Amino acid sequence: AQSVSQHNHHVILSEAASLELGCNYSYGGTVNLFWYVQYPGQHLQLLLKYFSGDPLVKGIKGFEAEFIKSKFSFNLRKPSVQWSDTAEYFCAVRGSSASKIIFGSGTRLSIRP
Amino acid sequence: DTGVSQDPRHKITKRGQNVTFRCDPISEHNRLYWYRQTLGQGPEFLTYFQNEAQLEKSRLLSDRFSAERPKGSFSTLEIQRTEQGDSAMYLCASSHYLLDQETQYFGPGTRLLVL
Repeated sequence: AQSVSQHNHHVILSEAASLELGCNYSYGGTVNLFWYVQYPGQHLQLLLKYFSGDPLVKGIKGFEAEFIKSKFSFNLRKPSVQWSDTAEYFCAVRGSSASKIIFGSGTRLSIRP
Repeated sequence: DTGVSQDPRHKITKRGQNVTFRCDPISEHNRLYWYRQTLGQGPEFLTYFQNEAQLEKSRLLSDRFSAERPKGSFSTLEIQRTEQGDSAMYLCASSHYLLDQETQYFGPGTRLLVL
């Protein structure tokens, strides 16, 4: 079955700490991968995406993610978080020839100022 | 603002009533998607259109749900005979089939509460 698993439901960090959010997917075939973010009171926004090429992709606000095909993983990282990174983060997958996106259940990130 | 817009932003209804939501996509986008998000979960795909044609529907979409995109621009999602289990955030997204790697951009959603 096609699915996305986000291991951490809620992560709490202090400002300046490093962040890594885990994401594993189950999908046959070539995939496109996404991280979306939802800040409090705002709509889903695209943080970064992977389609092909360099498996290390950089997104907005200093975020990056690494696609490891052998592990079916697409973990999100940021070397130093800020209070403004408090949000819910969703990992998502789409088959390269498909249209619908399959989302994980999300990870809530809380940053202590 | 040239993003995806949805109306209304909030809707409270009584069980058994019909509701209709509207989505206006980004103007040059030819694909439009509906998703549903319940508390503590990620969005789940419901259906999508390319221009006015509805190309895929999820098994989640019961026969009480119907979506249209009559002129290939805005779309409506109607829920008939609402049930308490329909309470959720209904999200709309749009993309261009040939541009921007068909990246989907989401609207603010319509939060439905069925009493």
